[in-house]
Amino acid sequence: NAGVMQNPRHLVRRRGQEARLRCSPMKGHSHVYWYRQLPEEGLKFMVYLQKENIIDESGMPKERFSAEFPKEGPSILRIQQVVRGDSAAYFCASSPPSGWETQYFGPGTRLLVL
Amino acid sequence: DAKTTQPTSMDCAEGRAANLPCNHSTISGNEYVYWYRQIHSQGPQYIIHGLKNNETNEMASLIITEDRKSSTLILPHATLRDTAVYYCIPCDSGANNLFFGTGTRLTVIP
Repeated sequence: NAGVMQNPRHLVRRRGQEARLRCSPMKGHSHVYWYRQLPEEGLKFMVYLQKENIIDESGMPKERFSAEFPKEGPSILRIQQVVRGDSAAYFCASSPPSGWETQYFGPGTRLLVL
Repeated sequence: DAKTTQPTSMDCAEGRAANLPCNHSTISGNEYVYWYRQIHSQGPQYIIHGLKNNETNEMASLIITEDRKSSTLILPHATLRDTAVYYCIPCDSGANNLFFGTGTRLTVIP
């Protein structure tokens, strides 16, 4: 059973460009979570999604960030007009419908904004 | 969610037991204690969780005090691959995300 997959693993963008991060949850998992880890800091929750629904986006910055989890395909975290402060590791996790507390994390996407 | 206090860092000799404490004195009655770890440059990994009874699995043991105000994660025979940051996370089923504090940086020494 493949684990949570994220791609790309590394992404370099120039200021003002768009970044798209993808996450494929584990088979059978319908809940997806995105976390951000700034350099030398702990993980911070960003958003929690179920298929076609955003359940909790309390950790998302108010501007430039958006997330979706369509009926078909991976979850996407989109960052528009990136700035240097967006440079971080972005981790996706998934969980089964029950037991959200046990989350399975992907390897992360390292975003570097030049 | 309950606040937690963990040592910033700990060392452990390879092959010895690593005991990682966590203080969660404000934990509520319906909050479980979850432990995750993050090995350098990897995503966090679930280790174990418990409510009030001690728990054991293939990775670790979890000892929760009777008053539930603190717990200890035990890695019985630490290996170099156990070097990581360990996070103690009280979880209420009514919430829907994990709060990662600063954790304990465990270094296993050869």
